[in-house]
Amino acid sequence: EDQVTQSPEALRLQEGESSSLNCSYTVSGLRGLFWYRQDPGKGPEFLFTLYSAGEEKEKERLKATLTKKESFLHITAPKPEDSATYLCAVQGPGNNRKLIWGLGTSLAVNP
Amino acid sequence: GAGVSQSPRYKVAKRGQDVALRCDPISGHVSLFWYQQALGQGPEFLTYFQNEAQLDKSGLPSDRFFAERPEGSVSTLKIQRTQQEDSAVYLCASSSRGANTGELFFGEGSRLTVL
Repeated sequence: EDQVTQSPEALRLQEGESSSLNCSYTVSGLRGLFWYRQDPGKGPEFLFTLYSAGEEKEKERLKATLTKKESFLHITAPKPEDSATYLCAVQGPGNNRKLIWGLGTSLAVNP
Repeated sequence: GAGVSQSPRYKVAKRGQDVALRCDPISGHVSLFWYQQALGQGPEFLTYFQNEAQLDKSGLPSDRFFAERPEGSVSTLKIQRTQQEDSAVYLCASSSRGANTGELFFGEGSRLTVL
């Protein structure tokens, strides 16, 4: 069964303290892995798509990487406004358009 | 509009009542999704439309759930005879033609509480 596991469940950082979030997945024939950010009371906001092992994407203080079994979201010198829940989702093969989501990592960045 | 709009934002229903949740996607977006998100969980797929065609409804939890998009724009998710386990945030998302359907624009959701 396709599955996405995110760790840690929660992470508290000091402003400027870099760290990484993990998303491990089991899916046959990965078509894409997606990172989203979700603020309280809001819908998820798209961040990145990764398609193949070795691929990397960057946006401001965030960098996403992908291997054959997991993805990392690296946060460099985070700021309080980076506080949110970060969700990972995968899309399986064929015409399957549904995404399989992890439970998310709740990130708090203290000033 | 500028983004995906959902209404109502909050709905309280008594057990057994019917509810209707509306989604107005980004203009021109052909793909529309409904997801259900329980507290502390990731979204769970409910159904997918391409224009007015409902191509996948495999995630609808029971026959009490029904979704439509009659003119290929606005969509309505209807839940009949609501139960307490239906309490969740219902998220609508859309994407444009040709876009990878994992790159979604979400609305703020409709939070349903069934008493």
